[in-house]
Amino acid sequence: GAVVSQHPSRVICKSGTSVKIECRSLDFQATTMFWYRQFPKQSLMLMATSNEGSKATYEQGVEKDKFLINHASLTLSTLTVTSAHPEDSSFYICSARRQRDQETQYFGPGTRLLVL
Amino acid sequence: GDSVTQMEGPVTLSEEAFLTINCTYTATGYPSLFWYVQYPGEGLQLLLKATKADDKGSNKGFEATYRKETTSFHLEKGSVQVSDSAVYFCALNQYNDYKLSFGAGTTVTVRA
Repeated sequence: GAVVSQHPSRVICKSGTSVKIECRSLDFQATTMFWYRQFPKQSLMLMATSNEGSKATYEQGVEKDKFLINHASLTLSTLTVTSAHPEDSSFYICSARRQRDQETQYFGPGTRLLVL
Repeated sequence: GDSVTQMEGPVTLSEEAFLTINCTYTATGYPSLFWYVQYPGEGLQLLLKATKADDKGSNKGFEATYRKETTSFHLEKGSVQVSDSAVYFCALNQYNDYKLSFGAGTTVTVRA
């Protein structure tokens, strides 16, 4: 159990367009989901924390108007990269936490975004 | 703030060799400690965890012991396989907010 999926797995888009990435918890209800960004050969950087039904909490330095997060249900969170630019190219990873084990995060497989 | 420092890679080993990846942390209070593994092209998977001092986490032949006196959580495996080739991340979180702080990751390559 505790499977998290992401869609799409990779996306290529033109500069200036917006891209939506979905994160789903497939077999559990996720009260909290996290969005990370991973640069090549580097660690994960937490971008924001989202709780179902409330606004996301963004980490310092992350533009909330650029990275829109919606956590509309207990199994789905979306990250929309608005007006994407080449510097937004990265690996975006989500994780989910279930209420009965708040310490453990279960990670999605990641989404590779390339902005041309 | 909280931080995690792990040994730099890459680490290259032969099959059946002993693997150690050092991890030390800086944190207030009593964090929980984790090792995550990222196989090529995949997302992170929880490998093992320990929630209090002297706890030993273990999974798939890997072990790590929460050492509060040395603020360490070193990962060990006695006999690695080619399938253990991956990036290993040490991480911690605090009881009050559960945000994970990750180390930089250590790339391990096991050769047949």
